[in-house]
Amino acid sequence: AQKITQTQPGMFVQEKEAVTLDCTYDTSDQSYGLFWYKQPSSGEMIFLIYQGSYDEQNATEGRYSLNFQKARKSANLVISASQLGDSAMYFCAMREGRMDSSYKLIFGSGTRLLVRP
Amino acid sequence: NAGVTQTPKFQVLKTGQSMTLQCAQDMNHEYMSWYRQDPGMGLRLIHYSVGAGITDQGEVPNGYNVSRSTTEDFPLRLLSAAPSQTSVYFCASRDKRDEQFFGPGTRLTVL
Repeated sequence: AQKITQTQPGMFVQEKEAVTLDCTYDTSDQSYGLFWYKQPSSGEMIFLIYQGSYDEQNATEGRYSLNFQKARKSANLVISASQLGDSAMYFCAMREGRMDSSYKLIFGSGTRLLVRP
Repeated sequence: NAGVTQTPKFQVLKTGQSMTLQCAQDMNHEYMSWYRQDPGMGLRLIHYSVGAGITDQGEVPNGYNVSRSTTEDFPLRLLSAAPSQTSVYFCASRDKRDEQFFGPGTRLTVL
């Protein structure tokens, strides 16, 4: 079974609108971390946001927020007020296990977002 | 701070050749790792290191070797390149807050 599932290979959004990128995960660990990365066409991996499994509040970083639904095992990324520069590939990733003893990130297959002017 | 640097940015090899991808970080991070990204896919972990002298295998280690003699450097060696190793390779280091910093990547083509 896939550990990280991103079911949307590609999405469009109109500039200035909000968009939600879906991510579901599968783990039996109680302690884990969830990450979102942005990969523009230039190829670098840019960290966007992090949510720990014990964090009670949803993580937010500027226009990015993570809609964390633990019981459903979902960690959707919400981008508010989309900008043309948000057009990129977005990856959801998970660290299984405790931060001080687990080091591997497991990545989903990504969602390509295109922002329309 | 330069962050995580990788060299070369591009490389073309013939089948059977060997080479070393270089990775260095100046943030004094203990944990470093190598990932590969194949077209249309997410990153997969090749090898990782939790400190100088300590390395371990990730998800796809076959055909690659690593060593970690210093905190700063974590080279990845391809022993005998194969076309299946054509990929983009990312080096990363992780801070105590669990944030991974990625290098710019090395695009490798094996003919």
